[in-house]
Amino acid sequence: AQKVTQAQTEISVVEKEDVTLDCVYETRDTTYYLFWYKQPPSGELVFLIRRNSFDEQNEISGRYSWNFQKSTSSFNFTITASQVVDSAVYFCALRSGGGADGLTFGKGTHLIIQP
Amino acid sequence: KAGVTQTPRYLIKTRGQQVTLSCSPISGHRSVSWYQQTPGQGLQFLFEYFSETQRNKGNFPGRFSGRQFSNSRSEMNVSTLELGDSALYLCASSPNAGGRTGELFFGEGSRLTVL
Repeated sequence: AQKVTQAQTEISVVEKEDVTLDCVYETRDTTYYLFWYKQPPSGELVFLIRRNSFDEQNEISGRYSWNFQKSTSSFNFTITASQVVDSAVYFCALRSGGGADGLTFGKGTHLIIQP
Repeated sequence: KAGVTQTPRYLIKTRGQQVTLSCSPISGHRSVSWYQQTPGQGLQFLFEYFSETQRNKGNFPGRFSGRQFSNSRSEMNVSTLELGDSALYLCASSPNAGGRTGELFFGEGSRLTVL
């Protein structure tokens, strides 16, 4: 069975601080996909990034960066110079290469950026 | 390009009733997935449809069902509602099905309250 763990239930930082959201996953599949989604108060989940299990390159997109390490089964997400608009619930998710069972989500991390 | 549209956005039902939720995917997307989000269980996969066929199903009782029409619009139905069915039901669409899927595009959800 697949599992995604986001140990941080809630994080509160002051604007402009850097913050890292942790994600640890479990799967027996050799081919799988990892995702990060952002859920603002409106409810819809907004896609941020997808990584496949064969691509361990870290990625940077503006103030966002992702660190994928297969050796520790982690896919962490860092926001640099956080802004109030970054406040949301962030979900890490996993999907097997075969696509069965849809996405397995972590419980989410509620990120609060204080002005 | 219009996003994923879910109707109704909010609804209240009583135990024992049934409910039908509707989802219109992004134009050109042929895959529709449904997820249930509750405070206790988080986000859980319900089912996925592609070209009018159910491809995958999550671990939910038979009271939860769905279908997809030839125009890719999808409906999900919950019969004999229970208090625990109170949740945000999220629909997501993508161009492809299964593991080859890139990101999922989510709607804002239908919030069901069962009294």
